[in-house]
Amino acid sequence: EAGVAQSPRYKIIEKRQSVAFWCNPISGHATLYWYQQILGQGPKLLIQFQNNGVVDDSQLPKDRFSAERLKGVDSTLKIQPAKLEDSAVYLCASSTQAYQGANVLTFGAGSRLTVL
Amino acid sequence: SQQGEEDPQALSIQEGENATMNCSYKTSINNLQWYRQNSGRGLVHLILIRSNEREKHSGRLRVTLDTSKKSSSLLITASRAADTASYFCATDASAGGTSYGKLTFGQGTILTVHP
Repeated sequence: EAGVAQSPRYKIIEKRQSVAFWCNPISGHATLYWYQQILGQGPKLLIQFQNNGVVDDSQLPKDRFSAERLKGVDSTLKIQPAKLEDSAVYLCASSTQAYQGANVLTFGAGSRLTVL
Repeated sequence: SQQGEEDPQALSIQEGENATMNCSYKTSINNLQWYRQNSGRGLVHLILIRSNEREKHSGRLRVTLDTSKKSSSLLITASRAADTASYFCATDASAGGTSYGKLTFGQGTILTVHP
């Protein structure tokens, strides 16, 4: 099966500019996640969708970050305006509970953001 | 916030040796998973252990879980240079038997296997 697709792979912007990342999950996966991974750290969940509804966005900085999942398939994550501390890899993952009822995540390759 | 704390932060071994990584967590869990991340890539799922299990095996991987100590370990036997990567534990704190919750990742262990 095709994996989780993300674009762009790399993005360099100036602070206060905006950026958008796109994710296409594995077909049929109802749950979609956006994680932020700062260099040297583990991934931190930003937002979790179940179909096109938000399950958890408690750690999403809502003053500058937004995400949507139209029609329960593709998703976009936007940052506006970007700050230096937003430099990170943004990982999209999708899952199905087909693993004996447990959520096992399939990750995309990530989008690396550098804010100058 | 990070749920899991991994130990050691970095591990350097020779090919053929065993590598052991540990993970501690704070809250009750439904299951615990281990993921691997090669440099510049996304994470790949390795193995899952449920809260009512104590040990799981998959190929050269052995995972143990001690819920009383809120800790898990990942053992990679007969390591290879290709095992060089970062390894993360992730906990699912969903209540009940079916998982609906988010996975919370630890900080990871960087494993280097020298040929």
